[in-house]
Amino acid sequence: GAVVSQHPSRVICKSGTSVKIECRSLDFQATTMFWYRQFPKQSLMLMATSNEGSKATYEQGVEKDKFLINHASLTLSTLTVTSAHPEDSSFYICSASSEGNQPQHFGDGTRLSIL
Amino acid sequence: DAKTTQPTSMDCAEGRAANLPCNHSTISGNEYVYWYRQIHSQGPQYIIHGLKNNETNEMVSLIITEDRKSSTLILPHATLRDTAVYYCIVRGNNNDMRFGAGTRLTVKP
Repeated sequence: GAVVSQHPSRVICKSGTSVKIECRSLDFQATTMFWYRQFPKQSLMLMATSNEGSKATYEQGVEKDKFLINHASLTLSTLTVTSAHPEDSSFYICSASSEGNQPQHFGDGTRLSIL
Repeated sequence: DAKTTQPTSMDCAEGRAANLPCNHSTISGNEYVYWYRQIHSQGPQYIIHGLKNNETNEMVSLIITEDRKSSTLILPHATLRDTAVYYCIVRGNNNDMRFGAGTRLTVKP
C-alpha cells in the first residue's frame, strides 16, 4: 500500500527555535499534501493544503508566516514552524494523496515539544 | 464537505462483530465516505471508502444506505488490536478531509 514517511518523529527544542518537518510519499506521486495538528484528546485539525509547485492554502486562524509550507516536488512537502513557542507544542501529521478519489495516506506524525 | 455524526464511544467483546455507525445526512451526490482509524500516538490509518455501493476488503465491510445519508463500518471479528478511534469522513471534490471527533472503540477481552 501507499506509504507516507514523516520525519522527525519527535522534536524537543527551546522556545524561539525554528523546526522543519518533512513529509515524503515513498511509492506514489502526491499531487496534494495536507498538514494537520492534533492536541491531546482532540481530533485532527486541518492546517493547510498544498499542491506541488503552488502556494499552500491555509485554514482560517492558521498563520502562514508562522507555519511555512513548501511543496517543491511530487514526493516532498515540508512544514517549518518558525520561532516556535510552548503553545506550538502539538502532534503534527501530514498526509498525501494522488489525483481523483484516491484516499489520503498519513504519516506517523511528529510530536513537537517546545520548552 | 458534509459533516458527519458518530457516537462518542463504543465497546465490543473480542471476537464479536463491531458495527460503527455514521450519519452524513447532508452528503451530496459526488461525495465519497471514507473511514480511518487512529491508534494512540500514530497517524490515521486508511480503512475503506465508498460512494454508494457496499464495499468489502480483508479487514472490514462498509454498508452505505440507499439514500446515502448514513453508513456502517463492520469489523466482523474484533480483536484487541482494533481498539482505536474510528473516523467517518465525507470528502468532496476539493480533496481535503476534515476530521470530526470519531468513535472511540474499545475491544474488551
